[in-house]
Amino acid sequence: NAGVTQTPKFQVLKTGQSMTLQCAQDMNHNSMYWYRQDPGMGLRLIYYSASEGTTDKGEVPNGYNVSRLNKREFSLRLESAAPSQTSVYFCASSEAAGGYQPQHFGDGTRLSIL
Amino acid sequence: LAKTTQPISMDSYEGQEVNITCSHNNIATNDYITWYQQFPSQGPRFIIQGYKTKVTNEVASLFIPADRKSSTLSLPRVSLSDTAVYYCLVDDKIIFGKGTRLHILP
Repeated sequence: NAGVTQTPKFQVLKTGQSMTLQCAQDMNHNSMYWYRQDPGMGLRLIYYSASEGTTDKGEVPNGYNVSRLNKREFSLRLESAAPSQTSVYFCASSEAAGGYQPQHFGDGTRLSIL
Repeated sequence: LAKTTQPISMDSYEGQEVNITCSHNNIATNDYITWYQQFPSQGPRFIIQGYKTKVTNEVASLFIPADRKSSTLSLPRVSLSDTAVYYCLVDDKIIFGKGTRLHILP
């Protein structure tokens, strides 16, 4: 059982380039999330999707867009990458939205922007 | 929005019991208390959740006093592989703070 799968695992971009990070879950979860984690820091919520067809901003949405393609897939797009977006990006899913629903995380995408 | 306070770091030795306390003075009536564990280069992993009193699973125990303004994650007989960052969450906005960096020494 794969759980939450993120692609790619690593990526290097130049400032101004665009990129889409992919996330898929096979647990039939309704809710999905994107976080970023900077060195020595906790996770910060970028966007989340409480259910298929809905998306909402988290703590740090500026510079990002998301698409809930279907129940399984939730993508994160950087339209014009900036060095400040260098980070590790984690996707997660849960049965429903809310902190009381345990989240299942992928292994992350390590993104460097030069 | 409940805010949590945890120690930044802790050291312990193999075989000992480790207790990590989280303060959450503004916890709401409907909030659950959830703990995650994160190893280097991996995403966080759910380890335990509770609402009140005590919860135990195969990995840890969670102690919650009656006023629910704090909680304690207890890891019995830790090993080197328990070295990780532990996060305490208590609100439905899913706020991860910096967590507690636990370092187990041989």
